Formats: sequence, structure tokens, C-alpha cells
Amino acid sequence: GNSVTQMEGPVTLSEEAFLTINCTYTATGYPSLFWYVQYPGEGLQLLLKATKADDKGSNKGFEATYRKETTSFHLEKGSVQVSDSAVYFCAAGGTSYGKLTFGQGTILTVHP
Amino acid sequence: DAGVIQSPRHEVTEMGQEVTLRCKPISGHDYLFWYRQTMMRGLELLIYFNNNVPIDDSGMPEDRFSAKMPNASFSTLKIQPSEPRDSAVYFCASSVSGGTQETQYFGPGTRLLVL
Repeated sequence: GNSVTQMEGPVTLSEEAFLTINCTYTATGYPSLFWYVQYPGEGLQLLLKATKADDKGSNKGFEATYRKETTSFHLEKGSVQVSDSAVYFCAAGGTSYGKLTFGQGTILTVHP
Repeated sequence: DAGVIQSPRHEVTEMGQEVTLRCKPISGHDYLFWYRQTMMRGLELLIYFNNNVPIDDSGMPEDRFSAKMPNASFSTLKIQPSEPRDSAVYFCASSVSGGTQETQYFGPGTRLLVL
């Protein structure tokens, strides 16, 4: 089955710093890739996704590019805000049906 | 749209008691997923349904866990008897279809504590 590996956290940044959270996957074929975000006390919500190689997903200033060569989908943001403090999950879609395989999550804390 | 609704939001119970978690998916969504989140194991898929039929329950930890979906707008996850190691946050999610590109929409979760 698929597997997803995220960089270990927690990640602590100052406001307006550049963010990168690494994500790599192993899969049969080319799964759709997702980043979900979980704010304190809430469920996960989709941040962005990419469905094929070289696609770039973007939302709220976050970006991630589907890199088939390196089997990666790294999350980036040029200038983080305190409100971006959350847990970020990378996920890979199944090759059949709607199963998602999640990474272990990366805790991001942004200080003023 | 109300989103995925879960109840209760918090549950505290004693070991050996039966626990029932409830979920109402987004109207029109054909797939429903139950997940468990713990610090040690992260986010685990327990079971998912398509059109009210269980498709894959390989993630259900043991026979103490059972899930049902009697109709398109309601699902339950039951633990009987509960144990302290079942303490976790349980999420329900739904999606429009089972396509590999589909977004799953998560509920707010039920935080379960078994004493």
C-alpha cells in the first residue's frame, strides 16, 4: 500500500518567516496528493491538492508541487502568520476508491 | 452546508462501558470514513462505507469495535466494552465519491477518554 513520510516536527517560526514542510510518498502508480490542516480543537480540512505530476496546488499563500521524480509534495509558504499555527498533514490518495494514507503530521507554531 | 456533524464532542466513560459515537455526513456524499487519532499512532483509518455498505474494515482494531450505517445520513461507531487504550479523538469524514482525487470533509471529532 501507499505510505507517506513527513518531516519531523514541531516546527517553530517567527511571523513572516519562510516555511517548508517536507513530504515524500511511496505508492504504486501516481496517486493524488493532498495537504490537510488541523487547527486546535477542530477536524482536518483540505488546504490544497494536486492530482498529477507537475501540478501545483495552492491556497491561502501555501503552495506544493507534485514531483514525480523525487516522489515529493513539499509544502511552502513565503511568509507565515500566527494564524497559520496548526498541524499539517500530507496525504496520498489510493489507487482505487477514496482511501487516503496520511503522514504523521507536523506541528507548526508561529510566534509574533 | 452544515458540514459533517459528530456527537458527542466529548465523552468520558469508565472502562467496561459501552460507547457510541455518531456521525451525520454531508448530504449527497456517498462515502463515509471513520478515523482514530492518537499521539502515538497518528491518524488511522478504521472503516469506510460506500452507499451505506462497509467496504473495508481492516483498520478496526478488534471485535470490541463495530460500525454501522443504517441510512445515508447516519453512522455509528460503537466500542463495547471500552478500555483506557481506546482513548483518542475519533473523526468521521465524508466524500462525494470514491474517486482518487476526491476531497474528504472531516467532522470536528469526538474526544473520548476512557478511565
